[in-house]
Amino acid sequence: GDSVTQMEGPVTLSEEAFLTINCTYTATGYPSLFWYVQYPGEGLQLLLKATKADDKGSNKGFEATYRKETTSFHLEKGSVQVSDSAVYFCALSDRNSGNTPLVFGKGTRLSVIA
Amino acid sequence: DTAVSQTPKYLVTQMGNDKSIKCEQNLGHDTMYWYKQDSKKFLKIMFSYNNKELIINETVPNRFSPKSPDKAHLNLHINSLELGDSAVYFCASSSGTGVTGELFFGEGSRLTVL
Repeated sequence: GDSVTQMEGPVTLSEEAFLTINCTYTATGYPSLFWYVQYPGEGLQLLLKATKADDKGSNKGFEATYRKETTSFHLEKGSVQVSDSAVYFCALSDRNSGNTPLVFGKGTRLSVIA
Repeated sequence: DTAVSQTPKYLVTQMGNDKSIKCEQNLGHDTMYWYKQDSKKFLKIMFSYNNKELIINETVPNRFSPKSPDKAHLNLHINSLELGDSAVYFCASSSGTGVTGELFFGEGSRLTVL
């Protein structure tokens, strides 16, 4: 079945450091790919998405490019801030899987220190 | 106005009790979900309803019973609570089935079973 694999956390960075959180996927069809973010004490919210190969999603300085050849959707940010501290989830939605909802990775906790 | 609201936000109860969590969305979406997030932040789909009809029922003990009185509400009732039921339960909604778009999450209901 469909699955998402994210790098293990926690990730601890200093402010203004470069961030990469790796995400790879397995899907039988043609998935859409998502990054969700969960700030402390809150629900998940969509950060960015890409619906087809070579699409780049971007939001709030974060970017991720849909790479079909490597089945990856790595999240990057050039300069992180303390306010970016959160848990980040990679997810996919496989359009060929009927009613299957989003499949989430296990999440990666990011802590940014001043 | 909160788009997806859950009550209660915190619930502490004894083993063997029965409890309910309520969810309401005011986004006009026709699909609603319950996800369970364990202590390691892993998110797992439990149920999904589309227009009050159950469309996804993952491998969940039958002590868990969802009820959707209308498409804006999806409640979760849990009988004979066990220690392993302690988790954060998230309600979410989306427009359409198959989830090619965004899920909107509530803030979560933290259940602690003693």
